[in-house]
Amino acid sequence: QQQVKQSPQSLIVQKGGISIINCAYENTAFDYFPWYQQFPGKGPALLIAIRPDVSEKKEGRFTISFNKSAKQFSLHIMDSQPGDSATYFCAASLFGSGGSNYKLTFGKGTLLTVNP
Amino acid sequence: NAGVMQNPRHLVRRRGQEARLRCSPMKGHSHVYWYRQLPEEGLKFMVYLQKENIIDESGMPKERFSAEFPKEGPSILRIQQVVRGDSAAYFCASSPLRGYAGELFFGEGSRLTVL
Repeated sequence: QQQVKQSPQSLIVQKGGISIINCAYENTAFDYFPWYQQFPGKGPALLIAIRPDVSEKKEGRFTISFNKSAKQFSLHIMDSQPGDSATYFCAASLFGSGGSNYKLTFGKGTLLTVNP
Repeated sequence: NAGVMQNPRHLVRRRGQEARLRCSPMKGHSHVYWYRQLPEEGLKFMVYLQKENIIDESGMPKERFSAEFPKEGPSILRIQQVVRGDSAAYFCASSPLRGYAGELFFGEGSRLTVL
């Protein structure tokens, strides 16, 4: 059973455009939602994360939007650059005290290609 | 390099052989996690270890897989009698505290191919 569904599987965007990746989760107990960025041959690296007490978090060109009632969250990359070309994974975990916040449930990933 | 170090980066085994994957956490990190990434899939949690202790192995297959993190030396993920379905990228992550606010620092992975 896939607990975090991610779409699209791949995405091609022109330089300067907006990249949008969506995720939906099933477990209402999840309370921590990170996005990881992975370049070919490398390990995933934390990009940005959000807790459900806020609906949006922005760090530079990267924004997470969170909709608790719909159990959905998304990553927006503004002014996309060729250097952003990578695979992006959304994830979810239990962050609260005593929770298993090391046990991330990942989506299947989105391969983003930003054309120059 | 102060990052999580994994070796070998690539490993080829024939069915029935054993695979040993090693992971040295970042300096100052005492919590180690192993994840597996099957082709076209996201990463899946396997096991969480601290020095000399397995804390959570709920994601480990019941047979053929084992993990350890000895007092001295790297953490080791051991797969006995490998089968083709074990072909995957195995990622190790570490953190200075349990879960560390959700940020895990991943290594570059060990890619196992079973012929």
